[in-house]
Amino acid sequence: EAGVTQFPSHSVIEKGQTVTLRCDPISGHDNLYWYRRVMGKEIKFLLHFVKESKQDESGMPNNRFLAERTGGTYSTLKVQPAELEDSGVYFCASSPLGGPNTEAFFGQGTRLTVV
Amino acid sequence: AQRVTQPEKLLSVFKGAPVELKCNYSYSGSPELFWYVQYSRQRLQLLLRHISRESIKGFTADLNKGETSFHLKKPFAQEEDSAMYYCALSPPRSGGYQKVTFGTGTKLQVIP
Repeated sequence: EAGVTQFPSHSVIEKGQTVTLRCDPISGHDNLYWYRRVMGKEIKFLLHFVKESKQDESGMPNNRFLAERTGGTYSTLKVQPAELEDSGVYFCASSPLGGPNTEAFFGQGTRLTVV
Repeated sequence: AQRVTQPEKLLSVFKGAPVELKCNYSYSGSPELFWYVQYSRQRLQLLLRHISRESIKGFTADLNKGETSFHLKKPFAQEEDSAMYYCALSPPRSGGYQKVTFGTGTKLQVIP
């Protein structure tokens, strides 16, 4: 079974440009999460989708970040315009809806560098 | 506010020595607690969770509510244990996985 897949694995862009990160969750997983680790700091929650709906976007840093999940399948996270402080590793995770023992599976992350 | 503190950025131990990775948390209530591990060039993965009370790869973690700690322990370190370890918490389950608060991580280096 394929795991959570993220594209691209690395991205280097200039300040002011736009970048779109993509996450393909495990098939059938209704929950999809985005997290970010800025260098030297903890991995922080950004937002949570249940199917195509945003369940919780309390972690989104500002309105330069836009996440979508069309049709409840893959998700994109767009940063426009990118700033230097957006550099970091962006993780996606997915999990099925279900009982107390559900587990979230993480993608390998996208390393974003804004120069 | 919920918070997870891992005081050590790096922990170096010799192969065969005991390992203890420290984790303290701050949460109003009874959270779920986890340890995640990321081996070199691999993705973040769940190592263990406190509700399962299990031992994975020889690691155990005991929840101490009085000290609000969830330290990860292994009696004899192996070279393949070298990795980044993250302590994490989430709100009590209400039907599925909830958003997770992570610590800053501790890099475990096992010296041959």
